[in-house]
Amino acid sequence: DAGVIQSPRHEVTEMGQEVTLRCKPISGHDYLFWYRQTMMRGLELLIYFNNNVPIDDSGMPEDRFSAKMPNASFSTLKIQPSEPRDSAVYFCASSLVLVSGYYGYTFGSGTRLTVV
Amino acid sequence: GENVEQHPSTLSVQEGDSAVIKCTYSDSASNYFPWYKQELGKRPQLIIDIRSNVGEKKDQRIAVTLNKTAKHFSLHITETQPEDSAVYFCAALTNTNAGKSTFGDGTTLTVKP
Repeated sequence: DAGVIQSPRHEVTEMGQEVTLRCKPISGHDYLFWYRQTMMRGLELLIYFNNNVPIDDSGMPEDRFSAKMPNASFSTLKIQPSEPRDSAVYFCASSLVLVSGYYGYTFGSGTRLTVV
Repeated sequence: GENVEQHPSTLSVQEGDSAVIKCTYSDSASNYFPWYKQELGKRPQLIIDIRSNVGEKKDQRIAVTLNKTAKHFSLHITETQPEDSAVYFCAALTNTNAGKSTFGDGTTLTVKP
């Protein structure tokens, strides 16, 4: 298993541009999470999906952020228009829930976004 | 909702010493408690977890203990090595949160050679 795959690994963009981050979860995992990590705010949950359905998007900073999960193997996080304060590392994570209970998250390698 | 507090925020130990990180949670319905290690510039990785029907779990030099009555759980690392230096996050998950973990703010552990 290749794990959770995120792309791109690094993104540098100018303020006002659209940015799209991509994630492929582990096959068979039914939860997908988008996190943002900065030194100031730590690890923040932006949105998460269960079986491709958004469950909680209360962490999405504002309308400039949107996320989709069109199928079980792909999700996107879009920022439009981007601003310098959006600069952070964005992690995607997936997890599995079985009859025996929950299991921990597997994180992707992250996308380091820099907005100049 | 669930609230997880983690202490200390930073911890420095000499190589070979033990390190203990503590977390408290607020929701008595929480039933799954994972710990993640994040090395500098890398992703958080699950290192150990414990469920509410277990009081202690060990995996080589790391162990986790859970006190459901007091609503706290701890990570213990023995015989620390420089490669243990990282940020450690605790988390709690309850069925009422439908799969979402609540994370602590993290502990930066430095192991001095």
